[in-house]
Amino acid sequence: GEDVEQSLFLSVREGDSSVINCTYTDSSSTYLYWYKQEPGAGLQLLTYIFSNMDMKQDQRLTVLLNKKDKHLSLRIADTQTGDSAIYFCAETNTGGFKTIFGAGTRLFVKA
Amino acid sequence: GAVVSQHPSRVICKSGTSVKIECRSLDFQATTMFWYRQFPKKSLMLMATSNEGSKATYEQGVEKDKFLINHASLTLSTLTVTSAHPEDSSFYICSASRGAGGGEQYFGPGTRLTVT
Repeated sequence: GEDVEQSLFLSVREGDSSVINCTYTDSSSTYLYWYKQEPGAGLQLLTYIFSNMDMKQDQRLTVLLNKKDKHLSLRIADTQTGDSAIYFCAETNTGGFKTIFGAGTRLFVKA
Repeated sequence: GAVVSQHPSRVICKSGTSVKIECRSLDFQATTMFWYRQFPKKSLMLMATSNEGSKATYEQGVEKDKFLINHASLTLSTLTVTSAHPEDSSFYICSASRGAGGGEQYFGPGTRLTVT
């Protein structure tokens, strides 16, 4: 079945850039998402990209999609301590009836 | 816009009792609502998908008689955990979508259930 994989941890210094990577298996993915979850809270949609796009930039966030390799990344520029959270990669296929989530990458930002 | 609330945020119940969790879309009509369960340091596990006025579609391995879902209106879905056991303790998160599919979902803040 469809699968989404992410590394579990990432640690960066405040002010550096963070890059969180994700791979997926469903070649019919239509939408790919990045969600942020802070402790004890639900998920907040950060950004999403359509599968026919290569890149999307939104302020400090840059999403890169390599559809051939089924690789998605999220770059956070000038990472702040408030960015410490779990980041989930997710994809929805053409049918759009189910979203598959990765296990989440826990980002630690050191002051 | 697109705010989803859950109530309660935390609940502790005794084994054998039932607990109801509410999920509301506050400023939009949710054609589809989803219920997820999140285990510590794990991803979200989709439990079921519900559309207003119809029976929920449960994922494989999720007992529909244990996790009762009612999507009573376009703004409210409830999850009732019946005859709860300690292994049901978890973080339950709902999400809502304007469309019929799982495109852009708006998540509630989650409910922490502890069964003693």
